Amino acid sequence: NAGVTQTPKFQVLKTGQSMTLQCAQDMNHNSMYWYRQDPGMGLRLIYYSASEGTTDKGEVPNGYNVSRLNKREFSLRLESAAPSQTSVYFCASSSPGDEQYFGPGTRLTVT
Amino acid sequence: QKEVEQNSGPLSVPEGAIASLNCTYSDRGSQSFFWYRQYSGKSPELIMFIYSNGDKEDGRFTAQLNKASQYVSLLIRDSQPSDSATYLCAGPISGGYNKLIFGAGTRLAVHP
Repeated sequence: NAGVTQTPKFQVLKTGQSMTLQCAQDMNHNSMYWYRQDPGMGLRLIYYSASEGTTDKGEVPNGYNVSRLNKREFSLRLESAAPSQTSVYFCASSSPGDEQYFGPGTRLTVT
Repeated sequence: QKEVEQNSGPLSVPEGAIASLNCTYSDRGSQSFFWYRQYSGKSPELIMFIYSNGDKEDGRFTAQLNKASQYVSLLIRDSQPSDSATYLCAGPISGGYNKLIFGAGTRLAVHP
């Protein structure tokens, strides 16, 4: 039982490049989330998916897109990376009303 | 804009003391709160969940919720150096369970 897994763990991009962050969970959770964490800012919700086939914007969705590929997988795409997107990205999953379980994070640097 | 606010710290306490971490929130409709612990370079993990007024105890941890004052706190008794971490308070957005808004976190340092 791996919980929530994320790939890659580290990534360096040049401004304007694109990439997709992958997330998968094996806990049969309906809901999945993408957060970013910047120093002194706590966790901010980018997008979430309440169930397979649905996605919705969070606090800071600009510059990102998501895909809920199936119940297990939820990906985050940066179409044209900007230095302001340098951050640590966490994926999480939960059952409704239950705690959120977090993946190990992806450290992204955009130069 | 619904908010959850925490003092960023650092809060420094001696080993064996009680550490008191506080959080205020703006959404009167929020029904429940979560406390997460995050070690440096790691992901957040749940410490406590509280949804009713009053206290909830789990081992050395006690969460307190005061809905009238829109205030939630976490007490850590007999603090240990291993408790040194950032503690994040989170409450649901729009009174629901599926989305959480997190405070910026309070850094706790327990010194021997």
